[in-house]
Amino acid sequence: DAMVIQNPRYQVTQFGKPVTLSCSQTLNHNVMYWYQQKSSQAPKLLFHYYDKDFNNEADTPDNFQSRRPNTSFCFLDIRSPGLGDAAMYLCATSGDSYYEQYFGPGTRLTVT
Amino acid sequence: AQKITQTQPGMFVQEKEAVTLDCTYDTSDQSYGLFWYKQPSSGEMIFLIYQGSYDEQNATEGRYSLNFQKARKSANLVISASQLGDSAMYFCAMARDNTDKLIFGTGTRLQVFP
Repeated sequence: DAMVIQNPRYQVTQFGKPVTLSCSQTLNHNVMYWYQQKSSQAPKLLFHYYDKDFNNEADTPDNFQSRRPNTSFCFLDIRSPGLGDAAMYLCATSGDSYYEQYFGPGTRLTVT
Repeated sequence: AQKITQTQPGMFVQEKEAVTLDCTYDTSDQSYGLFWYKQPSSGEMIFLIYQGSYDEQNATEGRYSLNFQKARKSANLVISASQLGDSAMYFCAMARDNTDKLIFGTGTRLQVFP
């Protein structure tokens, strides 16, 4: 029944070692988002895809990249993680009704 | 620029009582949407309720209602008959019309006690 799936739920990586987080959806939604949520803070949008069109937020660091090979999958790549990148990363999707934004359970990233 | 303000970092409520979580917003847009999400300790963001800026009636979803006062730019969440399972972080958010970007407030941690 899971609609937005994120793997892994917990990820530990070393400082500077590239890491990829994945998100998949069974809703066939055309929009997918990646949010970063640091401890005790609000989620912050990093970027989103409208179909294959990539939309980067102006203040998203270049260290963060994304790929969407098909409708169902979207990846977040952190090329050289720093200690400040430790956070919960939330994937979300939406369809024609933009207010129906469905979130996955998140991936908690630890950088050592 | 758009901004969401939640002034209550934490709230306590007794089981079965009602509680109001405050949210004010700032925008120059005429058309926008307001949302409330619940985030339990597991981390998942759960959509609770939505209010469109042109909706004349306050939104309701079960035990959740949104007290929308457009002139005051407030969109408070009212939870009636609180349950222990309501203990979580609650985020107010806003989106512009025709875009999908959500802007979140800093959240309110609600604790329900027996």
